[in-house]
Parts: sequence; C-alpha cells; structure tokens
Amino acid sequence: DQQVKQNSPSLSVQEGRISILNCDYTNSMFDYFLWYKKYPAEGPTFLISISSIKDKNEDGRFTVFLNKSAKHLSLHIVPSQPGDSAVYFCAASSTRAGNQFYFGTGTSLTVIP
Amino acid sequence: EADIYQTPRYLVIGTGKKITLECSQTMGHDKMYWYQQDPGMELHLIHYSYGVNSTEKGDLSSESTVSRIRTEHFPLTLESARPSHTSQYLCASSEGLVLLDEQFFGPGTRLTVL
Repeated sequence: DQQVKQNSPSLSVQEGRISILNCDYTNSMFDYFLWYKKYPAEGPTFLISISSIKDKNEDGRFTVFLNKSAKHLSLHIVPSQPGDSAVYFCAASSTRAGNQFYFGTGTSLTVIP
Repeated sequence: EADIYQTPRYLVIGTGKKITLECSQTMGHDKMYWYQQDPGMELHLIHYSYGVNSTEKGDLSSESTVSRIRTEHFPLTLESARPSHTSQYLCASSEGLVLLDEQFFGPGTRLTVL
C-alpha cells in the first residue's frame, strides 16, 4: 500500500512557464517532506524540503507548498527551464514513528524549449 | 558535490552466483542506505546503517545482506542471485540527525540476473 503517491507519471511544460508537481500522502504522522530530482543514469539529488510546521518553503525558482489538512504537497518551478527536465520524487517521513520514510513513484517532467 | 560511489554500474550475472555491490562515500557521513527501485516504481529502502557496526532492515524485505565495518564503506551482498533480484540498487548517505535528512545518492547499480 503506497503511503506516498505521485499520480501524474509525466508532465510537459513550455519553457518559461510554471511547472507544478503534486504529491499526496496517507499517513498523518508524516512531518518532514523532501523533493529529489533524478536525471537518467544518475542517482537522485536533493532539491528542497519542508517541515510540517511550515506550509511553504522557497529556494530560488523552487517552492514547495504543504497542505496538511489535504495531506498534499506540491513543487512549483518558476520559470521552468529545459535543464529542469528530469524525474522528480517526493519523499515523506515520520520523525515521531521510528524514523520511517517513503518515496513516491516519481513524475517525469519535460520542459519544452 | 557529493562524493559517493557505486561499483559496478551495470552487472549481468547468472542465477545462483554470489554478488557484492560496492558503495563508498568520502564525506564522513554516519548514515548510509541501500534502496531498490524497479522502473516506474518508488524507491524502496532495503537496508540502512546509523554508523559502524550498525545495520538495520528497511521497509522492503530483501534477501540481501549488508555490513558496515568502516564508516566509508557499505557493501550489499546477495549470496545466491535470482531473476527476481533484477532491479536498480541505489546507495545513499547522510549526516543529519533524522534518517530522512538530505541524502546524497550514488549513481546506482543496474543488476540483471539471467
């Protein structure tokens, strides 16, 4: 049973526009969330994180929003660039429940020049 | 830039063979992890370590074993490879207080068992 779900396997966006990647989770004990980016033939690289005490965290072109009541987080990339084309994974953990953590299945983003 | 290495990058091997996937990091991180990922699926944690002489099983049951004799080295061993072990194996390390602090990943080993 997947505890972290990324329901869109792929997304295409025009260069310069906003990319919005979504992630849903089922476990209300999750209190720390991260996004990773993965290029082909490479391991994932950390992008941005957010704690459940916040509802927004921003780092340059990347902003993560957390809606705890909906158990939903999203990653916004503005403006999107061709180099952002990659697979994006969200991950969630519960620091209160034995340090369990789970990854989603990933969303493949293609930014069209 | 992260310094975590995995060898081999690709491995094709016959059923029944013993294999060891190597993972080394030069960042002095205490925590290290092994993940298994099938195409289009999520990363599943199969093993992790808090430090030297510490090994724990992850949420996905695995027939592999790990050891942590040195901080920088976290090899994964399959005593008898089977086709069901065909997958990508990713190694990672981190230095944070909680397991899901920023992890640095290696490039992965793609294993195919015939």
